[in-house]
Amino acid sequence: SYELTQPPSVSVSPGQTATITCSGSKLGDKYACWYQQRPGQSPVLVIYHDTERPSGIPDRFSGSNSGNTATLTISGTQAMDEADYYCQAWDSRAGVFGGGTKLTVL
Amino acid sequence: QAQLVQSGAEVKKPGASVKVSCKASGYSFSSYGITWVRQAPGQGLEWMGWISGYNGNTNSAQKLQGRVTMTTDTTTTTVYMALRSLRSDDTAVYYCARWAVDRDALDIWGQGTMVTVSS
Repeated sequence: SYELTQPPSVSVSPGQTATITCSGSKLGDKYACWYQQRPGQSPVLVIYHDTERPSGIPDRFSGSNSGNTATLTISGTQAMDEADYYCQAWDSRAGVFGGGTKLTVL
Repeated sequence: QAQLVQSGAEVKKPGASVKVSCKASGYSFSSYGITWVRQAPGQGLEWMGWISGYNGNTNSAQKLQGRVTMTTDTTTTTVYMALRSLRSDDTAVYYCARWAVDRDALDIWGQGTMVTVSS
């Protein structure tokens, strides 16, 4: 079965750039999306179709996807961005989530 | 605005069944599918399956096939997820989420339903 791999944790200082990766076989041939989940809350879509932001998502969130790796970048990271982030893709009509990355804003 | 509202928390014994509802409003129900996702305590998200709001076609995760059933009631724009033969490792928060085909993503999420399986 298809698997997506994320680092368990990433730390960043306020105002700096956070980068979260998601790896999977030929992931660049699929569309990747990203969800933010704050503690005790439902996930929120922050990036779809590799690079697109839903309305209401700040432009400090951006994405890319090429080869075997999709990347979520948060520029000018704020304390409110501290959360778990999950990548997701579709394989053979089934959804697949990465294991999640805990972003800590120190 | 579009929203999904789920039924309340459940406590079940091992071997029992549970049925969680997800009421959709604020959008054209038949134009979107609904995906079910669960999250065990302290763990990540697990995709369970989806159902079409248009024709009720379904696809479920291989590990759950035979135990999970997803249905729709178009008159009340409600989606149901039933899981039988419950085990302790089915204890989780269960989410429904709207599947936007044009985005290949889950763009609206319900508030989650806690299902606890305990003897």
